[in-house]
Amino acid sequence: GAVVSQHPSWVICKSGTSVKIECRSLDFQATTMFWYRQFPKQSLMLMATSNEGSKATYEQGVEKDKFLINHASLTLSTLTVTSAHPEDSSFYICSARDLAGRVTDTQYFGPGTRLTVL
Amino acid sequence: GEDVEQSLFLSVREGDSSVINCTYTDSSSTYLYWYKQEPGAGLQLLTYIFSNMDMKQDQRLTVLLNKKDKHLSLRIADTQTGDSAIYFCAESMWGNKLVFGAGTILRVKS
Repeated sequence: GAVVSQHPSWVICKSGTSVKIECRSLDFQATTMFWYRQFPKQSLMLMATSNEGSKATYEQGVEKDKFLINHASLTLSTLTVTSAHPEDSSFYICSARDLAGRVTDTQYFGPGTRLTVL
Repeated sequence: GEDVEQSLFLSVREGDSSVINCTYTDSSSTYLYWYKQEPGAGLQLLTYIFSNMDMKQDQRLTVLLNKKDKHLSLRIADTQTGDSAIYFCAESMWGNKLVFGAGTILRVKS
């Protein structure tokens, strides 16, 4: 239980294009999902917190117009990197918080999406 | 602001115990976590401890929390080669924003 999937697992795109990454909670409902970014050999940095049906809350320094987040259902959140540039290349990881039953305050992580912008 | 620090690297022999240490600064943390990350993969929750506990054991894993010193440790008994990975310590208040340490690389030598 508590499985979170991400799609795609890796993507290569040209500079200037937009890329959408999906995060799904497969066997539980997640009213809150989180998006993290991880640079090579570094820790995860929280980009934004996404609540179902409302606007995402972005961390300081994260451009909301650059990283569009949509959380339209209790099992799906999407992150769109708009007009991607090489410096956006990174490992993007989502997590979802399970609010039903199990440990209510634990985040379960997806496998990550490797984005490379040429 | 919140800060979580970990030792960067630990090397042990297969069968030995591993102890990974972490310190944090936010005294209002309610949950402390240990996550494992294998190369190219996401994070796997290993275990967590609520801030009013001082110890939690789960099979080969033992978590010790010293709230006074804001020190958390993860002990892995009988370490195996499959335990080689990066281990992240993290803290949060009621499951909200997770603040991660930089990660400890555990290398298990056979």
